[in-house]
Amino acid sequence: QVQLQESGPGLVKPSETLSLTCTVSGGSINSYYWSWIRQPPGKGLEWIGSVYYSGSTSYNPSLKSRITISIDTSRKQFSLKLSSVTAADTAVYFCARLGGSGTNFDSWGQGILVTVSS
Amino acid sequence: QTVVTQEPSFSVSPGGTVTLTCGLSSGSVSATYYPSWCQQTPGQAPRTLIYSTNTRSSGVPDRFSGSILGNKAALTITGAQADDESDYYCVLYMGSGISLFGGGTKLTVL
Repeated sequence: QVQLQESGPGLVKPSETLSLTCTVSGGSINSYYWSWIRQPPGKGLEWIGSVYYSGSTSYNPSLKSRITISIDTSRKQFSLKLSSVTAADTAVYFCARLGGSGTNFDSWGQGILVTVSS
Repeated sequence: QTVVTQEPSFSVSPGGTVTLTCGLSSGSVSATYYPSWCQQTPGQAPRTLIYSTNTRSSGVPDRFSGSILGNKAALTITGAQADDESDYYCVLYMGSGISLFGGGTKLTVL
């Protein structure tokens, strides 16, 4: 059973870069797409972007200018960087695996709350 | 900008049947969008119940079913139970590696 665990700072200052890592255990990182999804407090889910194990990426058009998602298969980790953050980026950030040829979020991390505040 | 539409809230009686829907602000939802449905209870990570329109994830009770109804994807819960009270999110695959979540439906069982 694959498990995903998010890690990173829980507090980021406005205008700085949010950096999170998701570590994959109990399964292979190869041959899958891996995603970041976020949920502002009291609001719905928003897909941020995905990375294939080969390194190719897809990003939410509304966030594309600020996002970088990368993958390190040797460490079984993938990462999110979101630049120029504001209070609107305060959210629980989830990492997830995309199964089903990239169409099914079949495994999720528990999520990490990131607060943007000075 | 394309928006995935869901009912903001719905209620069902215990033992009853409810159908939640997932539409597009422009156009129709079809199987080519690989609609999936995620369930989320407060403070928990979501879990996918249904993917590729009508395939149940492992361990999901068969009272949950997915379909296309008219121009929308649908999630039907037959014989609703108290612990089905959750938020339900539709997810559509928009192509080019892009996924899009609906705004979610808050389901109350009472």
